[in-house]
Amino acid sequence: GEDVEQSLFLSVREGDSSVINCTYTDSSSTYLYWYKQEPGAGLQLLTYIFSNMDMKQDQRLTVLLNKKDKHLSLRIADTQTGDSAIYFCAESGNTGKLIFGQGTTLQVKP
Amino acid sequence: DTAVSQTPKYLVTQMGNDKSIKCEQNLGHDTMYWYKQDSKKFLKIMFSYNNKELIINETVPNRFSPKSPDKAHLNLHINSLELGDSAVYFCASSRRPGLAGFNEQFFGPGTRLTVL
Repeated sequence: GEDVEQSLFLSVREGDSSVINCTYTDSSSTYLYWYKQEPGAGLQLLTYIFSNMDMKQDQRLTVLLNKKDKHLSLRIADTQTGDSAIYFCAESGNTGKLIFGQGTTLQVKP
Repeated sequence: DTAVSQTPKYLVTQMGNDKSIKCEQNLGHDTMYWYKQDSKKFLKIMFSYNNKELIINETVPNRFSPKSPDKAHLNLHINSLELGDSAVYFCASSRRPGLAGFNEQFFGPGTRLTVL
């Protein structure tokens, strides 16, 4: 079946890099996504990667995809207090719907 | 201009009552969704409609009934509310997802439902 797993919590100091990891099971996923949920708000798409890519960089964000191990990571360089949020990994399942992980709460300490 | 809006933002009610949550999107999308986010922040899809037609119906008690009067609106009606229904409910919309296609979903701000 389709399943996506993430660690639940990450704490970093301002200015450090953050790395959030995710594993998924559906090898037919064409796209993998990272969504961000700020307190009291809905989710917003942060970035995504097509499954035939290994890496995608977008300003402070770097997405790495290891398709063999079904492992996805999101690296945030120079983490700021405004990056404090919950980050959800998601895959497009074979029915076209999104399957979300449990979310990783990122805490950024000043 | 709000892309996906939900009303109400907060809903506090007694067990056994019936309540509705409304959702509207002005993005011109064909597909709309309802998600439930529990107290541990776990997000699970409940329903999806494409152009007023139900396309995803996860294992949800039949006390939950979605209704889509047109493709810009998807409402959620809940009968005989139970304590376990307390959660944040999110509406979302997207272009029609292909089986292996890109599927960016746009989320509303959520409705926090508390059942006493």
